[in-house]
Amino acid sequence: DARVTQTPRHKVTEMGQEVTMRCQPILGHNTVFWYRQTMMQGLELLAYFRNRAPLDDSGMPKDRFSAEMPDATLATLKIQPSEPRDSAVYFCASSLPGRAVYEQYFGPGTRLTVT
Amino acid sequence: QKEVEQNSGPLSVPEGAIASLNCTYSDRGSQSFFWYRQYSGKSPELIMSIYSNGDKEDGRFTAQLNKASQYVSLLIRDSQPSDSATYLCAVGGYQKVTFGTGTKLQVIP
Repeated sequence: DARVTQTPRHKVTEMGQEVTMRCQPILGHNTVFWYRQTMMQGLELLAYFRNRAPLDDSGMPKDRFSAEMPDATLATLKIQPSEPRDSAVYFCASSLPGRAVYEQYFGPGTRLTVT
Repeated sequence: QKEVEQNSGPLSVPEGAIASLNCTYSDRGSQSFFWYRQYSGKSPELIMSIYSNGDKEDGRFTAQLNKASQYVSLLIRDSQPSDSATYLCAVGGYQKVTFGTGTKLQVIP
């Protein structure tokens, strides 16, 4: 049963701490997306990668957020330092190449609370 | 103007009725259109994709696309309480996909 996995599922941290979220895309999917979802803003695209190369990270606050794909099976999203306004659910999604690139499969999400 | 607009709802329909969910988009160059279902506390799940004008049916779901009017809709026939969820419209353009804020559907038994 192929699925996107994310860790941790829940994270509570104090303001100023570093947070790292991890994602394992579905095997064979070459495009990986990071989203943030809040009640107020809905689902926001933070960054995405194709064949491990960053294609668009314009939705990400550059001063504190960073996203990488060290290999094809792992994508990471880091926040340093974290702030209370970063509290949200962070989703990773992956997709196949070609026309189906936007037919995305979402992971279960990481619920982040920054106090 | 938001790039992808949806009525936030809630849209309430009785069990067995047809639920009609609508979405408009602003980018005329958009090429691909999707509907995702999101249950409370869960992640979005792709239920329909449509790429050309007209209707596309899959079981109880029908997606309708009208590029001239920049309009996408999702019809759910014989609505069931298990269809109660938030439905997100997503529009794909050049190296970009944009989600609407979703319409909450409530199916009343």
